[in-house]
Amino acid sequence: DAMVIQNPRYQVTQFGKPVTLSCSQTLNHNVMYWYQQKSSQAPKLLFHYYDKDFNNEADTPDNFQSRRPNTSFCFLDIRSPGLGDAAMYLCATSGQDQPQHFGDGTRLSIL
Amino acid sequence: QKEVEQNSGPLSVPEGAIASLNCTYSDRVSQSFFWYRQYSGKSPELIMSIYSNGDKEDGRFTAQLNKASQYVSLLIRDSQPSDSATYLCAVKTLGFNKFYFGSGTKLNVKP
Repeated sequence: DAMVIQNPRYQVTQFGKPVTLSCSQTLNHNVMYWYQQKSSQAPKLLFHYYDKDFNNEADTPDNFQSRRPNTSFCFLDIRSPGLGDAAMYLCATSGQDQPQHFGDGTRLSIL
Repeated sequence: QKEVEQNSGPLSVPEGAIASLNCTYSDRVSQSFFWYRQYSGKSPELIMSIYSNGDKEDGRFTAQLNKASQYVSLLIRDSQPSDSATYLCAVKTLGFNKFYFGSGTKLNVKP
């Protein structure tokens, strides 16, 4: 049973057209994360939530925003996607002092 | 800046051999250590977690932790072609929510 679910698996958008990626979890974990991963690179943390407490990484572009309306759901909004934003976007969750569990990821392509 | 270092590889081993993957970390207060396997185009999958010095075994996998040397390793016994993937090392400090990833070691197991 999938515990961290990301939708869609593949997303194609046009240069500059806003896009939203979604993540849901059935684990009731406090912490949710968004990572960007490009080919042959480590996952790069964009931001994370501890409950509703939002934590942005210093080098996350302003173009990236996030929302967590409740424990189960978290969204990544890219306001004006550029070609450099094409990547795999990974959502993960963790409980208190527990390992992270990743969703299957969303592969974002920019036309 | 917390750093996690891995040899990028590729590490090539013949089928049936032992694969040894290494990871060093810079932050002495790191207390939780994780190994993830990532197949090409897929999301990271947790293989092992280790919290105390010494060895932890799970099937063909053994994680080894030496906090004094700030070193964690993963041994894969009886390597199979299906083990060919990138292995990510991640570290975390107790009570904090961020995970720090290495850039991963690519493992090729040759039939």
